[in-house]
Amino acid sequence: GDSVTQTEGPVTVSESESLIINCTYSATSIAYPNLFWYVRYPGEGLQLLLKVITAGQKGSSRGFEATYNKETTSFHLQKASVQESDSAVYYCALGSYAQGLTFGLGTRVSVFP
Amino acid sequence: NSKVIQTPRYLVKGQGQKAKMRCIPEKGHPVVFWYQQNKNNEFKFLINFQNQEVLQQIDMTEKRFSAECPSNSPCSLEIQSSEAGDSALYLCASSLSGTGVYAEQFFGPGTRLTVL
Repeated sequence: GDSVTQTEGPVTVSESESLIINCTYSATSIAYPNLFWYVRYPGEGLQLLLKVITAGQKGSSRGFEATYNKETTSFHLQKASVQESDSAVYYCALGSYAQGLTFGLGTRVSVFP
Repeated sequence: NSKVIQTPRYLVKGQGQKAKMRCIPEKGHPVVFWYQQNKNNEFKFLINFQNQEVLQQIDMTEKRFSAECPSNSPCSLEIQSSEAGDSALYLCASSLSGTGVYAEQFFGPGTRLTVL
């Protein structure tokens, strides 16, 4: 089946430092999966951070960016300079029309001032 | 911000009891998904609908789990005979489509089920 593997947390970074969360996927049932990063801030529901539906393209939002790399089956999330408000749990996911999304286990990120 | 509404937010049941939770998708979203997120943070897709029709469901839901999305009523997920292993966060999501440009799923806050 399909699977997503991401950086195991927790990850602790200082404000203004860079952040990278690795995500690799295996899409055995989908030829061209859509790729997503979702985020859950403390006390809030799961929300979409960014999405990319075409291999080779980059998605960006709120200073985060991720590139859909079909050759390495990766979709790493990066931010050059994090803020305390970026503290959250980040989930990498791949999309399938019939079977819904396949999520990674999430990476808890804590940003300290 | 997502406008998917899930009720109740918390549900406590004894083993063998029925557990029912509801979801109102975002207005205009014909596709609805149900997921289970367990205490290990693992997500499991359960079932999805397009309008009132089931698109796909995993084997588990064909036994004790049932779901429906009737016209002009909230969608619902019901566990006929709850087991301790069903304790989890149940997430409802809706989207304009299942794939492509409109594949983005908007999630509700979830119903946290505890089976004692």
